[in-house]
Amino acid sequence: QKEVEQNSGPLSVPEGAIASLNCTYSDRGSQSFFWYRQYSGKSPELIMFIYSNGDKEDGRFTAQLNKASQYVSLLIRDSQPSDSATYLCAVFIYSSASKIIFGSGTRLSIRP
Amino acid sequence: GAVVSQHPSWVICKSGTSVKIECRSLDFQATTMFWYRQFPKQSLMLMATSNEGSKATYEQGVEKDKFLINHASLTLSTLTVTSAHPEDSSFYICSARGLSRQAGWYTEAFFGQGTRLTVV
Repeated sequence: QKEVEQNSGPLSVPEGAIASLNCTYSDRGSQSFFWYRQYSGKSPELIMFIYSNGDKEDGRFTAQLNKASQYVSLLIRDSQPSDSATYLCAVFIYSSASKIIFGSGTRLSIRP
Repeated sequence: GAVVSQHPSWVICKSGTSVKIECRSLDFQATTMFWYRQFPKQSLMLMATSNEGSKATYEQGVEKDKFLINHASLTLSTLTVTSAHPEDSSFYICSARGLSRQAGWYTEAFFGQGTRLTVV
């Protein structure tokens, strides 16, 4: 089982709709959870991070965390064509060898 | 957000030569640096984690003698690809996590711009 799993997509969403991206993780010791956006040929950029169970909202983005289910999601409201990118879920595992592990990413396409 | 500067952004080298990539945290103390490699249309694969002043911890399957990592200061880590071969051609990305002087708490992991390595 992969440590961080995402559906590779592509996920196609009409402009103005809500895009929902999902991620599951296997290590219950995971402490911090991140969503990154990566455009082709570019480095990832941080969109949001979340530590606690529940929802965290920032503008059009909402991150949701459920530690009991080991599940984290990202909602994008009022999707724009510029949101088309690959979204990477990442998990920070704090241990003797702390590290950040990435999922394989979900390709999101917003159609006009 | 915090700034991580990676240099060079791209490099072309001959097979058998070595290439050094630098990663600097510009406005915070990077106690931990992560080095990733990303092949086309694939996700980031963690190569190694380095803590300032300590030896890097390499992921399984990553040759530590080929990918030399140095994290001698809180603001600089380097990755040297020794005796590079065409199969080492990839996008190498660093990220840094550490204590923000301004915020007084640990920043999240921010990425450098990445280095596109092409070995010919």
